[in-house]
This record gives sequence, C-alpha cells and structure tokens, in this order.
Amino acid sequence: EVQLVESGGGVVQPGGSLRLSCAASGFTFDDYAMHWVRQAPGKGLEWVSLISGDGGSTYYADSVKGRFTISRDNSKNSLYLQMNSLRTEDTAFYYCAKTVVIGAFDIWGQGTMVTVSS
Amino acid sequence: QSVLTQPPSVSAAPGQKVTISCSGSSSNIGNNYVSWYQQLPGTAPKLLIYDNNKRPSGIPDRFSGSKSGTSATLGITGLQTGDEADYYCGTWESSLRAVVFGGGTKLTVL
Repeated sequence: EVQLVESGGGVVQPGGSLRLSCAASGFTFDDYAMHWVRQAPGKGLEWVSLISGDGGSTYYADSVKGRFTISRDNSKNSLYLQMNSLRTEDTAFYYCAKTVVIGAFDIWGQGTMVTVSS
Repeated sequence: QSVLTQPPSVSAAPGQKVTISCSGSSSNIGNNYVSWYQQLPGTAPKLLIYDNNKRPSGIPDRFSGSKSGTSATLGITGLQTGDEADYYCGTWESSLRAVVFGGGTKLTVL
C-alpha cells in the first residue's frame, strides 16, 4: 500500500524550531519529487516546498524562504522539513505529498499539526 | 489572496450537475497543467483530476476537468451528499517557481 506518514508536529514558541518527518512506503521513493503543503485551521491549502527525487533541487514559497529547509534521505525513504524562526502564522496542519506530475500530488499523508504560540 | 481565483461556494441538488471555475494567468494556468483536489471535512486532500482532465484510478467519471486559456473548470455530475466538500485547483506558477492553489470552493449538496 502506498502510504505517507508525517510526524514531528507539536507546540513551539515563536522564534523556535521544529523538524517534521515523513515516512514513505509502497513506492520507489527516489523516483519522485516530494512536497510539503500546509493548511492553517479553517483556511485553504498553501504550498510550502518541493524537493526533486535526487534531492538536488529545492524550491520554497516566499513565506518560508530562508527559514525552512526541505531535505530527504532516499536510503530511509524519508522526507524532512526543518523549520526555524517559527512565527504564529506558521501554525497549520503540514502535509507531505508525492508528485504524480509537476504541480499535482497523488498521495498525501494524514498531516501533522504545528502550533506556534507563546 | 490566492494566485488562482475560485468561487467561495457553489450549491446544487442531489443528482444535478455543478461546475467550479478556477481563474489564473498566462504564467500559471495558461502554460501549465491544472489539478483538482477534494477535501472532505477533517481529512487530507484527495487528487481528483491532473493534467487538466485526467482522472487517477478509482475516481469515478462523474468528475471531469477542462481548461481553456487561463481558466479551468471542474465538473461534477450526478451529485451525491457525499460530494459535499471543499474543492481546490492547483498548478505550477512559472514566474514564482512554485505550486499555487485556488482559495477553495465549498460545495453544498442541498
């Protein structure tokens, strides 16, 4: 079964850091680009970041550029999002998602909640 | 303010057809493929349409997609109460080198 499982969410103070993980199974992980997408409570989807299958290319939304770092370990079938200098507006459910074609995601994880609050 | 523009809500009766529009520009929809997602309450989004009009396996043909110029449309026929959800369009934004989404449309099946 193709599956993505996120972990690492929690409550953190403004200015703090958090590292999210996404464990992939059921497909050849390094064949696919992977993304992080977030959704603030009661709001719409916001794309966060993209990493190519070999990890050599990364892209970020302007709202997180310079603060978040996407990475992957293909030997562990895992995707990561290192989040630094967190702000209250980063509070959201964070989903990892698998690319089917550029700009489209066919598999999503269940999401992990990140709350930035003092 | 989303890069792609969707109506906030649409509604129709069971068994009827509804369309949801998604408007963009030449740097996103105009030159890239569009995808559509369904998000039921409390769940992760689910891919309905990719490459403008292709359905992943398991998605019924009641769902269809089309694109013309800088706009795209999701069509749903034979509406069921289980179709009540939020629907999002998405595409690649060439000028930003980013994926962009519409603000989402809430479908109510009356």
